Amino acid sequence: GDSVTQMEGPVTLSEEAFLTINCTYTATGYPSLFWYVQYPGEGLQLLLKATKADDKGSNKGFEATYRKETTSFHLEKGSVQVSDSAVYFCALSGSTGANSKLTFGKGITLSVRP
Amino acid sequence: KAGVTQTPRYLIKTRGQQVTLSCSPISGHRSVSWYQQTPGQGLQFLFEYFSETQRNKGNFPGRFSGRQFSNSRSEMNVSTLELGDSALYLCASSSTSGGGVYNEQFFGPGTRLTVL
Repeated sequence: GDSVTQMEGPVTLSEEAFLTINCTYTATGYPSLFWYVQYPGEGLQLLLKATKADDKGSNKGFEATYRKETTSFHLEKGSVQVSDSAVYFCALSGSTGANSKLTFGKGITLSVRP
Repeated sequence: KAGVTQTPRYLIKTRGQQVTLSCSPISGHRSVSWYQQTPGQGLQFLFEYFSETQRNKGNFPGRFSGRQFSNSRSEMNVSTLELGDSALYLCASSSTSGGGVYNEQFFGPGTRLTVL
């Protein structure tokens, strides 16, 4: 079945540091890929998405590129802020019409120090 | 446009009881999905409803059930609660059902269920 693997956490960075969060996936066909963010006490918010190979999703300074050859969708940000502190989830949605569920990675907690 | 709302936000029950959680999707959205979030298992898909029909189901026991009403509001029910059912239950709505680019799901804040 489909699966998503994220790097182990937590991650602690200083403000303005470079961020990379690794994500790899296993799926048949051509899934859509997503990054969701969860702030304390809240539900998940879609951060960015990509629907086909070599697509780059971007939002709020975050970027991720859909790499089919390496089955990866790593999240990057050039300069993190304290307000980026949250839990980040990589997810995929199957490519078939009947497969509407999201499969999530374990999530990783990011803490940014001033 | 109002977001996805879930009620109640917090719930405490004892083992053996049953519980019903409610989710109101974004206006115009016809698909509602439910997820369970726990520290050990992470986020796991429970089921999805679209136009009052269950379209997809995750790997959970039959104690977990759901339904959707004609106004797209959805409820999920857990019977004979176990300690392991303690979790954050998240509801997500989407305008369509199915994979691919259209499967953008908008999540509610969740219901925190504690089973004692």
